[in-house]
Amino acid sequence: DAGVIQSPRHEVTEMGQEVTLRCKPISGHDYLFWYRQTMMRGLELLIYFNNNVPIDDSGMPEDRFSAKMPNASFSTLKIQPSEPRDSAVYFCASRTGGSGTDTQYFGPGTRLTVL
Amino acid sequence: AQSVAQPEDQVNVAEGNPLTVKCTYSVSGNPYLFWYVQYPNRGLQFLLKYITGDNLVKGSYGFEAEFNKSQTSFHLKKPSALVSDSALYFCAVSRISGNTPLVFGKGTRLSVIA
Repeated sequence: DAGVIQSPRHEVTEMGQEVTLRCKPISGHDYLFWYRQTMMRGLELLIYFNNNVPIDDSGMPEDRFSAKMPNASFSTLKIQPSEPRDSAVYFCASRTGGSGTDTQYFGPGTRLTVL
Repeated sequence: AQSVAQPEDQVNVAEGNPLTVKCTYSVSGNPYLFWYVQYPNRGLQFLLKYITGDNLVKGSYGFEAEFNKSQTSFHLKKPSALVSDSALYFCAVSRISGNTPLVFGKGTRLSVIA
């Protein structure tokens, strides 16, 4: 398996623009997680899905952020409109279901810079 | 609520010396505990985990971690550090009852000096 795939790897955009980050989880994994990493706040869980259904989005910072998982092999995280404070590395991770013993596997991340 | 504390932002160690990266946790019930490593411009990579059984867990790249229930700790160790071990290390905890996401600590930056 190729692991968790994220695109793009780098994104530079201007304030006010829409940004869409993409994630393909490992095949057969039931859970998908979106994280944001910054120097100030560390690694934050934004939202996670189980079997394509959002379970907890309490970490989503504002209404400007939205996430979808239309099928088991694809998820998007959208920011509209983007702001400079959204600059961060965004990670997607996936794992199998069943119990909390299963290992989460992370993608390489998308480095977002909002000018 | 689950939480993880990594009390050191930075750990410096000389190459060849033993290293320890500290982690304490708080969780209701029995925990599942994980260590991840992040190299520059990379995603987090799984190192090892404690689920049950032997308190000493061995993982990738010669790392091991010891689960101590009375001290609610799960420190990461390696007998002889390599310069290539320099990275950011994250401890994480999940709760046994309920399928909850991992909660991560803030990370500890390890620098191994030649």
